[in-house]
Parts: sequence; C-alpha cells; structure tokens
Amino acid sequence: QKEVEQNSGPLSVPEGAIASLNCTYSDRGSQSFFWYRQYSGKSPELIMFIYSNGDKEDGRFTAQLNKASQYVSLLIRDSQPSDSATYLCAVKAGRRALTFGSGTRLQVQP
Amino acid sequence: DARVTQTPRHKVTEMGQEVTMRCQPILGHNTVFWYRQTMMQGLELLAYFRNRAPLDDSGMPKDRFSAEMPDATLATLKIQPSEPRDSAVYFCASDPEESAFFGQGTRLTVV
Repeated sequence: QKEVEQNSGPLSVPEGAIASLNCTYSDRGSQSFFWYRQYSGKSPELIMFIYSNGDKEDGRFTAQLNKASQYVSLLIRDSQPSDSATYLCAVKAGRRALTFGSGTRLQVQP
Repeated sequence: DARVTQTPRHKVTEMGQEVTMRCQPILGHNTVFWYRQTMMQGLELLAYFRNRAPLDDSGMPKDRFSAEMPDATLATLKIQPSEPRDSAVYFCASDPEESAFFGQGTRLTVV
C-alpha cells in the first residue's frame, strides 16, 4: 500500500462545475497536508496547504481535512479549462520531507 | 523573483556516462530536496539536506547516485554510471520550513 493514495483519473467535469479531488494517507503521524498542481511538462506548484481538521478556503479552492479518516480533499468551484492539470496530494510528518501521491488528472471540458 | 534554478534543463546521455545535475535553492531556504518523477512511480524522494547536512538519502540507489551540497547556494545530484532506467525528470525543491518550492526540473534521457 502506498503512503499517499489518489485516484489517477482522468476526472472529467464540465466548465463551471465543482471538481472534487480526493486523497487518503496511511501515516497517522502526518501533520501537514498540501495540494500541488502540475501542468503537463511543468513543475509542481503549491496551491493550498491545511493543518487542522475542517475546511480551508482560498478563492475557488477549498481544502478539506479529516484526520480521523485520514482523508484530504480539494474542491475546485467554477472549474475552468485552465484548471486542467494533474493535482498532487502531499503529506508531511514533523520535519520530514513531503510524501506525494501519484496525482489525479483533471480535465475541464469547455 | 525568487525561484529554484536547475541546470541543465535537458540532458541526453549514453548508458555508462556520468551525469551531474545542479540546483540553486531559493536564498534563505535551509532545506533542499531531490525528487525523481516518472510516469510509473510518480514523484519519489531521492535525498534531502537541511542546513547542508544530508538527512535522508534512503530513496537513492547508493551504488550509482550521490548527492552533495558543497555550499548553501549549490546542491548537486550525480549518477555514475547512468542506466536507461534512470531516465526521468529530476526535480530540486527548497523549503523555508513547510512546503516545497520546485525548480523546473532536469529531463534526463539515458540511451
């Protein structure tokens, strides 16, 4: 079992819809949770991080964390074709390095 | 415009040759990571340094890979000898305390 699991997709949503991306992790010591976006041929870029249970909103993005269920999600409201990318979930325990999932490919259809 | 700088951006080499990749982290970031990304394995941690000291290189094949940080502005990843299975994108990232900021990567092709 991988430490961070994501559905590889592709997840296809129509423009303007809500995209929901999910991630589970196995290390209960994980304390910090991150979502990165990676366009094809580019490097990952940080879009959100969350430390506490509950929701954290930033513009069209909402990160949700449930430590009891070891589950992190990212919601993208009013999805745009420019949101089409691979979304990487990453977790961190203490001062250790980030551990990444394999990513979910999102396709937003115009 | 602070960014992590990696060189070269692309490298094609023959099997058995030595490959050296370089990274200049963001000034003031005390943690530097090397990750490798392939379609099959995704992003894998190879090694990382904090305050130039190696903390974890368990993800690296020790017989052929080596990582060093000779000073605060330079991190290097060396492969000797290179093999076709080393073909991947190698990312350097630096971290002030929490998240990681990635360089543009070195796309390595070993033929």
